[in-house]
Amino acid sequence: NAGVTQTPKFQVLKTGQSMTLQCAQDMNHEYMSWYRQDPGMGLRLIHYSVGAGITDQGEVPNGYNVSRSTTEDFPLRLLSAAPSQTSVYFCASRQGRYVAQPQHFGDGTRLSIL
Amino acid sequence: AQSVTQLDSHVSVSEGTPVLLRCNYSSSYSPSLFWYVQHPNKGLQLLLKYTSAATLVKGINGFEAEFKKSETSFHLTKPSAHMSDAAEYFCVAPLYNNNDMRFGAGTRLTVKP
Repeated sequence: NAGVTQTPKFQVLKTGQSMTLQCAQDMNHEYMSWYRQDPGMGLRLIHYSVGAGITDQGEVPNGYNVSRSTTEDFPLRLLSAAPSQTSVYFCASRQGRYVAQPQHFGDGTRLSIL
Repeated sequence: AQSVTQLDSHVSVSEGTPVLLRCNYSSSYSPSLFWYVQHPNKGLQLLLKYTSAATLVKGINGFEAEFKKSETSFHLTKPSAHMSDAAEYFCVAPLYNNNDMRFGAGTRLTVKP
């Protein structure tokens, strides 16, 4: 069982560059989300999707774009990387739209912006 | 609004001694609450979930948590720590009004031999 797969695991970017963080799940989950993890702040929601073709903003969406063309994939795009976006990024999914269901997390992408 | 406070940023115990990781929540209604564990360079894994069916919840790897409404607490415990328990632990509450999850800041558990 692959679960939630994130690529790449590590990435270093220069300020102003763009890139896409990939996320795929093989559990046929409706709901997918992106979080960033910063020291002492837990995880904060960037964007989420309740199904193919439907996305919405979370707590910290600025500087990020998402799309959901299939149930399986939910890529996160950094349009113009800034040092403040240095963080660890986690993709997660859950079976349904009900928020009180547990989520399955990928292993993260560690991103450094120079 | 739902909020989650983990009272200790770092807890250190010796192997074989009890573990207590503290979490307080604020809410005007009985919530669902989760504890997740994150091992180094890994994603978060669900330890246990409270859903109001029972106040004492048993999770994986010998962990359990007790929901106490009068104290607005959901502390995580384990009778005897193992070296493999060294990790970061997050107390998490769902936010019903905006499809989000509120994460505590995390507690790093160190287990000494």
